[in-house]
Amino acid sequence: IAGITQAPTSQILAAGRRMTLRCTQDMRHNAMYWYRQDLGLGLRLIHYSNTAGTTGKGEVPDGYSVSRANTDDFPLTLASAVPSQTSVYFCASSPAIGYGYTFGSGTRLTVV
Amino acid sequence: AQSVTQLGSHVSVSEGALVLLRCNYSSSVPPYLFWYVQYPNQGLQLLLKYTSAATLVKGINGFEAEFKKSETSFHLTKPSAHMSDAAEYFCAVSVNAGNNRKLIWGLGTSLAVNP
Repeated sequence: IAGITQAPTSQILAAGRRMTLRCTQDMRHNAMYWYRQDLGLGLRLIHYSNTAGTTGKGEVPDGYSVSRANTDDFPLTLASAVPSQTSVYFCASSPAIGYGYTFGSGTRLTVV
Repeated sequence: AQSVTQLGSHVSVSEGALVLLRCNYSSSVPPYLFWYVQYPNQGLQLLLKYTSAATLVKGINGFEAEFKKSETSFHLTKPSAHMSDAAEYFCAVSVNAGNNRKLIWGLGTSLAVNP
């Protein structure tokens, strides 16, 4: 089934540890996105990539990094996790302007 | 600045009643508009979208939305609520951002359906 796969589905992480959230899509979409969802704050864009080889910063990029080596994969890395990064993280993709986004099922991350 | 406002963070209806979820946007140019639904512990799923074609847009699960430029609104409706409609609903507008386009999200409306 075409779509987005995120891994892991949930994780408890010690503060200060490095963590990479994985995102893979099989729809050959050009654009990919990482959001975090927090109660009362809605969805906030962390980083995005309009096409393979390019990335950009969203609203809340600090503490996060991304790479886009190919069309399918868009990993999100927390270099040194802090408790404020406790959140649900969603990866999404879109084929082009005006099309809706396809979302993954999310990764629930707890930093302790 | 562009923005999306969803009026009512929580809406409660009876099963079989009309569902009306409100969304107002601000944009200086004709936007693309979207409604997404999020069921518990799941990702967001596209319900419907407006992309400058017909102003009344039909989506999945019996939902529809009408783009009203004069009111800068894109309210979501369903004639008869079903228990399975209980979820979080998000309105979003796609706007130009320099050389890119980005989605501006509303904060969501939680819909409860009572038996």
